[in-house]
Amino acid sequence: DGGITQSPKYLFRKEGQNVTLSCEQNLNHDAMYWYRQDPGQGLRLIYYSQIVNDFQKGDIAEGYSVSREKKESFPLTVTSAQKNPTAFYLCASSQTGEAGELFFGEGSRLTVL
Amino acid sequence: GESVGLHLPTLSVQEGDNSIINCAYSNSASDYFIWYKQESGKGPQFIIDIRSNMDKRQGQRVTVLLNKTVKHLSLQIAATQPGDSAVYFCAVCYSGNTPLVFGKGTRLSVIA
Repeated sequence: DGGITQSPKYLFRKEGQNVTLSCEQNLNHDAMYWYRQDPGQGLRLIYYSQIVNDFQKGDIAEGYSVSREKKESFPLTVTSAQKNPTAFYLCASSQTGEAGELFFGEGSRLTVL
Repeated sequence: GESVGLHLPTLSVQEGDNSIINCAYSNSASDYFIWYKQESGKGPQFIIDIRSNMDKRQGQRVTVLLNKTVKHLSLQIAATQPGDSAVYFCAVCYSGNTPLVFGKGTRLSVIA
């Protein structure tokens, strides 16, 4: 079945450690996105990529990094520079061009101990 | 740019009643609007969308209304069921390739 796969679903990290969240899609979508969600809050855009080997910062990019070496994959690294990394992270994809629906993964919950 | 606000963070309705969830946006040039449903611990799921050249669109038990004059968007759910309990987000696209901007969500609770 086509879709977006995020892993791991749950992740625990000690302060000062970097962690990478995986996002893979087999929908043949050009664009991919990372959003952060905090309790009772909406989704805030971290980074997005509309084409391979290119990506743009979203509203809250500080302390995060991404790469887009393959169309199917858009990993997110939460670095030690991120001051408050505990959150629910959502990856999404869409066709580029005319605005349209985002397809979301099931999310990764990161907890910093 | 674009900002998206919500009128109520929570909404409780009796099973079988109709639900109305509201959303406001700031940019009159916004051209695409979408509603998502998110169940606890899961990713958002598409419900319905509408483009700026329309003011109403209907799906199965759901209707989206767009009032461009006052920059207001609403989601109506008919005959609300317990399975409709979730957080509902509106999202707005300012222009073609720009990412969706999400509101903070309304938690809908259905009382049996």
